[in-house]
Amino acid sequence: QSALTQPRSVSGSPGQSVTISCTGTSSDIGAYNYVSWYQQHPGKAPKLMIYDVSERPSGVPDRFSGSKSGNTASLTISGLQAEDEADYYCCSYAGSYINYVFGTGTKVTVL
Amino acid sequence: QLQLQESGPGLVKPSETLSLTCTVSGGSIRGSSYFWGWIRQPPGKGLEWIGSIHYSGATYHNPSLKSRVIISVDTPKNQFSLKLSSVTAADTAAYHCARLDCSDTSCFFNYWGQGIQVTVSS
Repeated sequence: QSALTQPRSVSGSPGQSVTISCTGTSSDIGAYNYVSWYQQHPGKAPKLMIYDVSERPSGVPDRFSGSKSGNTASLTISGLQAEDEADYYCCSYAGSYINYVFGTGTKVTVL
Repeated sequence: QLQLQESGPGLVKPSETLSLTCTVSGGSIRGSSYFWGWIRQPPGKGLEWIGSIHYSGATYHNPSLKSRVIISVDTPKNQFSLKLSSVTAADTAAYHCARLDCSDTSCFFNYWGQGIQVTVSS
C-alpha cells in the first residue's frame, strides 16, 4: 500500500487561502468518506483538524475546511495566519486489511 | 484531558526487539468506541500507521510490518504496548501512540502522544 500523494509544500501570504491536495486510489480515498487531516508543528504531536472528509472537531477554527472528489481529498485554509505554518498530513481508511494510510505530508509556509 | 505518554529505550541494536509502552491518563482505556494505535515517523519523513488494538484484544496491523509486530493491552495499568522484532536502521523513527475515536462508520486519530525517538544502531 503506497502513501497518499501530497505536494511537498504550499505557501501563501497572511489572509490568503491555500489548498492542499491528497491523492489516493479507488481502494482508499475513493472508496470511503473516512479522510482525516492532521497538523504538526516541529517537535510536536500531530493534531486532528478534519475528520470524515469535512467535519471539524470542536476548537478547530472554521478557517479549516475539507472536501473530496473521486480519489482526491483537499484541505483548504482560508484567511491564512502565521500559526498555520506547519506540516499537514492526510489519512484515509483503506479497508479491513490495510486499515489506515497516511499522506506524504505538505509543509505550509506563511510568507 | 486525555493524555498519552510513550516510554521505552531510545536506542535499540539491529536484529533486536523494540519495545514501547503507552500510558493513558485522564481517561479509561476500556472504551468500546476507542481503538489505540501506534504510528511512526522516520526522520524528515511522513507518518506510517503500524497497528491498532481494542481493549478487548482485537488487533489490526499494517501488512508491511505484520510479521514483526505485536501490540498488546494491559487494562489494569491503562497501558498498551508495541513490540517490533528484528529491527534495522529503517525502523529508526519517532514512535507515537494515539487514540482512535470510532463511530458506527469511521475512526480517526483524535489524541496523540508527544512521540518517542527510537534509533536503531549498534
